[in-house]
Amino acid sequence: NAGVTQTPKFRILKIGQSMTLQCAQDMNHNYMYWYRQDPGMGLKLIYYSVGAGITDKGEVPNGYNVSRSTTEDFPLRLELAAPSQTSVYFCASSYSTPRYEQYFGPGTRLTVT
Amino acid sequence: AQSVTQPDIHITVSEGASLELRCNYSYGATPYLFWYVQSPGQGLQLLLKYFSGDTLVQGIKGFEAEFKRSQSSFNLRKPSVHWSDAAEYFCAVALRTGAGNNRKLIWGLGTSLAVNP
Repeated sequence: NAGVTQTPKFRILKIGQSMTLQCAQDMNHNYMYWYRQDPGMGLKLIYYSVGAGITDKGEVPNGYNVSRSTTEDFPLRLELAAPSQTSVYFCASSYSTPRYEQYFGPGTRLTVT
Repeated sequence: AQSVTQPDIHITVSEGASLELRCNYSYGATPYLFWYVQSPGQGLQLLLKYFSGDTLVQGIKGFEAEFKRSQSSFNLRKPSVHWSDAAEYFCAVALRTGAGNNRKLIWGLGTSLAVNP
């Protein structure tokens, strides 16, 4: 049982490049989330999904896109990277509410220059 | 507005000393409450949670937290801190959204704990 896995661990992008951050979980969780973490700013929710084929925006969705074709995978797409997207990105998953405990991946550190 | 406040941005304690990290929330109904820990360079790990029942909950790594409804607080405590407890600690509250059991998670900004040898 690997839990929540994220790839890559680190990435440097040039402004305007695109990339996909991968996230997978093997706990059969319905809910999955993408957060970004910036120093002193806590966690900000980017997108979340309540099941395959269903996604919704969080607090800071601009510049990102997601898809959820399977229960296990929840990739995050950056289309035109900007310096403001330099951050640490965390993927998380949970069972359906109300047991709202979230399980986190190890994170992807992204730098856009 | 619904919010979670961790008043202390940074705390330093000596190894072996007791610890209390504060968390206050603003929410009208009964919340679900969580404390997570993030070690440097790592993801977040659940320390403990409160849903209902006994207001003093025990977690992993010797931590406990007490829910006080009258004070809208859920403070995290540990009687004797170890050097390995140095980390970032986040309080989170699951708030009901609309009808049914759907809830969203509101996060505090975190408290950074340093431990002096």
